[in-house]
Amino acid sequence: NAGVTQTPKFRVLKTGQSMTLLCAQDMNHEYMYWYRQDPGMGLRLIHYSVGEGTTAKGEVPDGYNVSRLKKQNFLLGLESAAPSQTSVYFCASSPRQGWTEAFFGQGTRLTVV
Amino acid sequence: SQQGEEDPQALSIQEGENATMNCSYKTSINNLQWYRQNSGRGLVHLILIRSNEREKHSGRLRVTLDTSKKSSSLLITASRAADTASYFCAQDSSYKLIFGSGTRLLVRP
Repeated sequence: NAGVTQTPKFRVLKTGQSMTLLCAQDMNHEYMYWYRQDPGMGLRLIHYSVGEGTTAKGEVPDGYNVSRLKKQNFLLGLESAAPSQTSVYFCASSPRQGWTEAFFGQGTRLTVV
Repeated sequence: SQQGEEDPQALSIQEGENATMNCSYKTSINNLQWYRQNSGRGLVHLILIRSNEREKHSGRLRVTLDTSKKSSSLLITASRAADTASYFCAQDSSYKLIFGSGTRLLVRP
């Protein structure tokens, strides 16, 4: 049972390049989340999804887009990467809202130069 | 920002001592969760306390919740060097899981 898997684990981008981060969960969870973690800032919610085909903005959505075409996958896209998007990105999933814990992936370390 | 705050930002204690971390949040919640993060790794869930609960225990962990003050505390008793990590509270409300800024705990052998 893999849980939550993030791909890739590391990436270096040049300013202006685009990329997609993939999050896959095999637990049939409804809810999925994308966070970024910067030193001293804790985790900040970028976008989230409450089910297949749905997405919503979190606290810091600017510069990112997401899609949830399949229940098990949640994609985070950067259309034109900026140095301010250098961060560690975490994906998480949970069965449903209100009563249950979230399960996290191991993170993607992204550097934009 | 809906992000909560944790206090202290950093805590250094001797092995065997107790560690207390506090969390304040801003919105109404369904539950309050605590997570642990070892350096460079993903977060691991520790304990969840529902909005109608005031205290919860799990092993060496004790969590309290005061919804009138929008605050929670995590107590780790008889700490061990292996407890060294960052600890985060997370408020679960309105379909979102919002994390605090975290407390870095160092347990000295």
